[in-house]
Parts: sequence; structure tokens; C-alpha cells
Amino acid sequence: LAKTTQPISMDSYEGQEVNITCSHNNIATNDYITWYQQFPSQGPRFIIQGYKTKVTNEVASLFIPADRKSSTLSLPRVSLSDTAVYYCLAPRGSASKIIFGSGTRLSIRP
Amino acid sequence: DVKVTQSSRYLVKRTGEKVFLECVQDMDHENMFWYRQDPGLGLRLIYFSYDVKMKEKGDIPEGYSVSREKKERFSLILESASTNQTSMYLCASSYISGNEQFFGPGTRLTVL
Repeated sequence: LAKTTQPISMDSYEGQEVNITCSHNNIATNDYITWYQQFPSQGPRFIIQGYKTKVTNEVASLFIPADRKSSTLSLPRVSLSDTAVYYCLAPRGSASKIIFGSGTRLSIRP
Repeated sequence: DVKVTQSSRYLVKRTGEKVFLECVQDMDHENMFWYRQDPGLGLRLIYFSYDVKMKEKGDIPEGYSVSREKKERFSLILESASTNQTSMYLCASSYISGNEQFFGPGTRLTVL
């Protein structure tokens, strides 16, 4: 099964850039890398998805090196409201092989 | 806006009871999912459905069954609830496999 590894927790301060790295050594050739954000008492919310190089949207950037064995979610100038759990997914083929894992608990301080 | 709704936010049941958790999506999505979320374990996939009457087991299907009679509705069934099924249950849907999943608000089930 595809498994991702990411830090259990991270701390940062308002206004800083935060980078969360995820490793996915067994990613399949046709798999995309997807990141979700989850606030307490809510379901996860899609943030960004990419296949290779760099993807940017209004919320975050996603950097994927050529070997695609890892990816980095970059949150520019974080605020207190970015405090959440962030999940990296790299499923292998069928949707039934999706594994969310435990995610990274990001805490932002004033 | 895509909307995924779950029948209850909180549910308390007794051991041995049959429990139905309902999920409805309004975006004509092909795929629907049931997860459970426990502290320290993240989200774990219970069952997945890619079409009406079609289903596939996820990582932890034991003790659960599912039903998808209509495209917009996906039900999770606990045939005989046990205390170790106390958890947060999350339903999600997506248009195609591997695509963005939209989650419901979750149902916090307590089995006494």
C-alpha cells in the first residue's frame, strides 16, 4: 500500500512561511499528490493537488521534485486561522487505496 | 457549492444495536467514501463505492457494511455495534477516482 510520511507536528508564528514535507517513496507513475486541511470538528478540505514541479493556487504552493518521492506544501505568511491538521495523500491507482495517515498538526502562534 | 450531508452530527447507541449512518451528496459524483477518524490514527477508509450498487472494501471493513441504492446516497451500516466502533465517521464524495474529495461534517458515534 502507498504510505506517506510527514512530521507529526509543527509550530510557527503569524506572518511566517511554513513548509510541510511529505515523503511518498512508493508513488505510482500515474498518481497525483494531494493535500487536505482539517479544522477541529470538520471534515478535511482539499487544498492543492499536483503531479510534478510546482503548482500554486490562492491558498498554497506545492513543490514536487523530479523523482516525485516527496512533496512540500508551502503556506505563505500564515495566520492563526491556518492552525489545523494537514494531510498528504499519494494513492496508488484505485481510490480504495487512498491512505490519509495521521497528518501534520500545525500550530500557529501570535 | 458541493454539499455532502450526513444524517446526524451526534449519535449514541448501545452495544448490539444496528446502526445506520446516512450520507447524501448533491453533485452527481460517481465515488463515495466512508472513513472513520480516531485520535492518533488519522482517517481510515472503511468502504468505497464507485457506482450504484458497487462497493469496494477499504482498510478496515470488518464490522461494517454499506449500501448504495441511489447515486446520491451512501449508507454505512453497523450490524451489531460494539464499543470499539465509537468514533468520528466521515463521508466524502468525488467525481472521479483520485480527484478532490468533498467531505461531510462528520457523525460522532458513541457506543455504550
